[in-house]
Amino acid sequence: DAKTTQPPSMDCAEGRAANLPCNHSTISGNEYVYWYRQIHSQGPQYIIHGLKNNETNEMASLIITEDRKSSTLILPHATLRDTAVYYCIVRPYNNAGNMLTFGGGTRLMVKP
Amino acid sequence: KAGVTQTPRYLIKTRGQQVTLSCSPISGHRSVSWYQQTPGQGLQFLFEYFSETQRNKGNFPGRFSGRQFSNSRSEMNVSTLELGDSALYLCASSLEAVSYEQYFGPGTRLTVT
Repeated sequence: DAKTTQPPSMDCAEGRAANLPCNHSTISGNEYVYWYRQIHSQGPQYIIHGLKNNETNEMASLIITEDRKSSTLILPHATLRDTAVYYCIVRPYNNAGNMLTFGGGTRLMVKP
Repeated sequence: KAGVTQTPRYLIKTRGQQVTLSCSPISGHRSVSWYQQTPGQGLQFLFEYFSETQRNKGNFPGRFSGRQFSNSRSEMNVSTLELGDSALYLCASSLEAVSYEQYFGPGTRLTVT
């Protein structure tokens, strides 16, 4: 079972920041938080990952709370092309492999 | 660098038949994973291969099988197709056995009639 809880859907105005929350209250010390998104009819796309520090790349920022029980993915200036299902996943970085367990995700609708 | 390619992109089969799907990972990537996506069950992990060895397997019946070749290309096979096997089958590749990032292909849309 997925170890994360996300709202099923969110709306965001184009040009505004999209803040997507994720609850992972049972996260273990060796588990990372990953975000992927899936644009309609395409394969999922990796966005960002983090362990405990906040992370930023060209696509998004990831804010992880100090207790690591929740996180927020931030798309600073959402565009219509950011409309997608966003998945928050927790898994360890170890010899167990690369398997991802997807939950239901958040369907983000960016509106003009 | 070319992305993950999957063939065929679309496929229609009849119940009881078998099907083979192919995945070519990004050049240099040695790990390949397969996922099934359906409207009812969402994205579910099927299996993962690294260096021609299956490392992990999801909770699917034995009708679902896969393999990886020495060039890292992978195939998955579904025998005795059922209507419920209609789904989008996604392949993902990673550089190593343990990687932060996985790169997904566009998927193969399988319809079983």
